[in-house]
Amino acid sequence: DVKVTQSSRYLVKRTGEKVFLECVQDMDHENMFWYRQDPGLGLRLIYFSYDVKMKEKGDIPEGYSVSREKKERFSLILESASTNQTSMYLCASSLVERFANTGELFFGEGSRLTVL
Amino acid sequence: AQTVTQSQPEMSVQEAETVTLSCTYDTSESDYYLFWYKQPPSRQMILVIRQEAYKQQNATENRFSVNFQKAAKSFSLKISDSQLGDAAMYFCGGATNKLIFGTGTLLAVQP
Repeated sequence: DVKVTQSSRYLVKRTGEKVFLECVQDMDHENMFWYRQDPGLGLRLIYFSYDVKMKEKGDIPEGYSVSREKKERFSLILESASTNQTSMYLCASSLVERFANTGELFFGEGSRLTVL
Repeated sequence: AQTVTQSQPEMSVQEAETVTLSCTYDTSESDYYLFWYKQPPSRQMILVIRQEAYKQQNATENRFSVNFQKAAKSFSLKISDSQLGDAAMYFCGGATNKLIFGTGTLLAVQP
């Protein structure tokens, strides 16, 4: 079975803290993604990576950075968490070519972050 | 640019009945995919069904089928013989060089 694992299901952090969200996939997929899910806004792409050490900004990259040192692992970093970053964060991976998306993503269970 | 619109924030269906979730999209691309994802409560999102734009025949996966009306830019999801396990948030979306998701429809299934 394919698997995308997010390290933390629930996190509570304070404003200004540095936050790491980790995601690991065991499918040898090239592409990995970080989305943010908010009620009424759907899923919005923060960053994606199509190869080790490669990254591209999505639609809402401000306030976030990412790291992909190994093919299976993609980390989302909030350098200084703010209350407006309280959200559900979803990691996903896909096998397809970078610019030939067919819509098939494999998602993790999500990390619900609360920033106080 | 791509846009995906789901105009029904919430829907409800009786068990064993049929329900249709609406989705409209807009894209300037000629080659694209459309899809529906299901997100059960506290569980991961999974791909339910996918349609390639150039295919005229509507995709079907067991109790799930789509009605793809290309001219009308409509891509609705029909769930037949609804089951309690179908209760979830459903996201419509489109894929060209990037994936775009709609805002979701929360489906409740009444026993």
